[in-house]
Amino acid sequence: QQQVKQSPQSLIVQKGGISIINCAYENTAFDYFPWYQQFPGKGPALLIAIRPDVSEKKEGRFTISFNKSAKQFSLHIMDSQPGDSATYFCAASRNQGGKLIFGQGTELSVKP
Amino acid sequence: KAGVTQTPRYLIKTRGQQVTLSCSPISGHRSVSWYQQTPGQGLQFLFEYFSETQRNKGNFPGRFSGRQFSNSRSEMNVSTLELGDSALYLCASSLGQSLADTQYFGPGTRLTVL
Repeated sequence: QQQVKQSPQSLIVQKGGISIINCAYENTAFDYFPWYQQFPGKGPALLIAIRPDVSEKKEGRFTISFNKSAKQFSLHIMDSQPGDSATYFCAASRNQGGKLIFGQGTELSVKP
Repeated sequence: KAGVTQTPRYLIKTRGQQVTLSCSPISGHRSVSWYQQTPGQGLQFLFEYFSETQRNKGNFPGRFSGRQFSNSRSEMNVSTLELGDSALYLCASSLGQSLADTQYFGPGTRLTVL
């Protein structure tokens, strides 16, 4: 099955807090897991991505944790800022070029 | 480098009509993918073109079609529009040569079907 399940649907975090968004997938053939950030009126933009041969990847305040056995991966945003308020999508792909399967999205609101 | 551009940005059509959306990828990118974004279904993959050939296809009816030109520009067409086709249509371009090539999205075309 090609589904990617994302939670929570919405998240409110105080400035300086940690935002955590979780995704689970079913197809073990997936081998590329990107996270996208989308602001209103804009297209999604790649934030960070991971391959299943590593368990964690960090870029600045953004970290992906990957658990291959549980078929789960998550995005952690450290020191969340109001400018991080956006919708976040996890996605998965297998060796099929441009076909990304997206989660349902998480609307993050960071309160000052 | 200019980003992905999509035209038009907004479109209003009535049921039964057809529509053509256009996407110009980033210079040098040979892959163009199309996605439909709706509040209920989220982001769903429509199809991908690479070097003028459809390389991947999602689970959409045949009313949705696309093509890619030799300059990598792409168009998608929706015939016999239905109310449920109202959505934001996004195109994304990438080099298309490896799985991990980043897909860069355009701002989308907002289609409203009345």
